[in-house]
Amino acid sequence: EADIYQTPRYLVIGTGKKITLECSQTMGHDKMYWYQQDPGMELHLIHYSYGVNSTEKGDLSSESTVSRIRTEHFPLTLESARPSHTSQYLCASSEVVEEGGGKETQYFGPGTRLLVL
Amino acid sequence: KNQVEQSPQSLIILEGKNCTLQCNYTVSPFSNLRWYKQDTGRGPVSLTIMTFSENTKSNGRYTATLDADTKQSSLHITASQLSDSASYICVVNDRGSTLGRLYFGRGTQLTVWP
Repeated sequence: EADIYQTPRYLVIGTGKKITLECSQTMGHDKMYWYQQDPGMELHLIHYSYGVNSTEKGDLSSESTVSRIRTEHFPLTLESARPSHTSQYLCASSEVVEEGGGKETQYFGPGTRLLVL
Repeated sequence: KNQVEQSPQSLIILEGKNCTLQCNYTVSPFSNLRWYKQDTGRGPVSLTIMTFSENTKSNGRYTATLDADTKQSSLHITASQLSDSASYICVVNDRGSTLGRLYFGRGTQLTVWP
């Protein structure tokens, strides 16, 4: 069982609200990721970080923002939620096992299911 | 276009039976291929990871195979149990970027009935 946690697990909010999805890991991993997953669909990378003060946008355009002030913490923020943001958000972390070989394994959190009304 | 295709989309089997899930990919270059298990409402958990030179890898009742020439992989589940009910996701890692970009399949939804 991976030591990576996400809160809240479920969230129902109204349009226009600001929300922050929390993600924490206690494994000391430098790399962290946020994915968006709709039912029956593949995971899409929306943000990633190589370490403290490093954040990058992923493949899927997202109106969310992230920060990485501490190694263990990688929160995702939506300034103004809309119904189109309804989805499952998965946080993951990894450590590099072999440089250049991409052999790291990502450990996923349990996810946050977001419903925007 | 780099893609990962999985089949079948969904599968129902009886407890105790075996099954095989398929994954075809067009990702190039290729670094490794992983199979993840995702229980409903949970995050994916890694089952196996195989590099170019490995053509089979086992993890308990799960056995993954890889044919890098035909770009195909399979996940065989032996003597299925109710707890095997989940989505099984094939993920391919390319070798071209520092991030080691991951390409995800949509998963096969497996249901095991008693």
